[in-house]
Amino acid sequence: DAMVIQNPRYQVTQFGKPVTLSCSQTLNHNVMYWYQQKSSQAPKLLFHYYDKDFNNEADTPDNFQSRRPNTSFCFLDIRSPGLGDAAMYLCATSRGQGTSTDTQYFGPGTRLTVL
Amino acid sequence: DQQVKQNSPSLSVQEGRISILNCDYTNSMFDYFLWYKKYPAEGPTFLISISSIKDKNEDGRFTVFLNKSAKHLSLHIVPSQPGDSAVYFCAAKGNNAGNMLTFGGGTRLMVKP
Repeated sequence: DAMVIQNPRYQVTQFGKPVTLSCSQTLNHNVMYWYQQKSSQAPKLLFHYYDKDFNNEADTPDNFQSRRPNTSFCFLDIRSPGLGDAAMYLCATSRGQGTSTDTQYFGPGTRLTVL
Repeated sequence: DQQVKQNSPSLSVQEGRISILNCDYTNSMFDYFLWYKKYPAEGPTFLISISSIKDKNEDGRFTVFLNKSAKHLSLHIVPSQPGDSAVYFCAAKGNNAGNMLTFGGGTRLMVKP
């Protein structure tokens, strides 16, 4: 089945220790997104890639970086995790049709714990 | 400024009855609306959507209604089942509104057997 896969599902890191979260997709979608979600709040968009074009949200901290080496994979790097970065990190993809009916499909998420 | 609001943080419904989840928006540039369902420790799952050119879209037990003049949409689930218990997020987007999803705060639905 075509899908969005996130690894690992649960990640524990230490305060200040860099961590990388992984997302892959078999949907062949052009656009990949990273969201942060805390508790049951609305997901907050961090950044997205349209193909290789990186688009950062204005309020995304510099501590968060992303890489997209190819169409299928996208990584979220947290350079120096703080306690406030503990959250669920969601990856999503969309075709990128350039229309507003372009639906986003989410992966299962990675729950990050910072000790 | 919250552009998409779900004013009910939680809703409890008896199995077999109708569940109605509401969502209001303020940005008139939104022209596509989606509902996502989220179970604990999982990512949101796309449920149903509606374009602003329609006022109703139905998919099995799920129907979304859009009232553009009131900037209001609702999700109806009939009949409700215990497996529908989850957090439901309303989201909106539009070509002239940055084309990114704007989410509401979510409504936790509990369907009692």
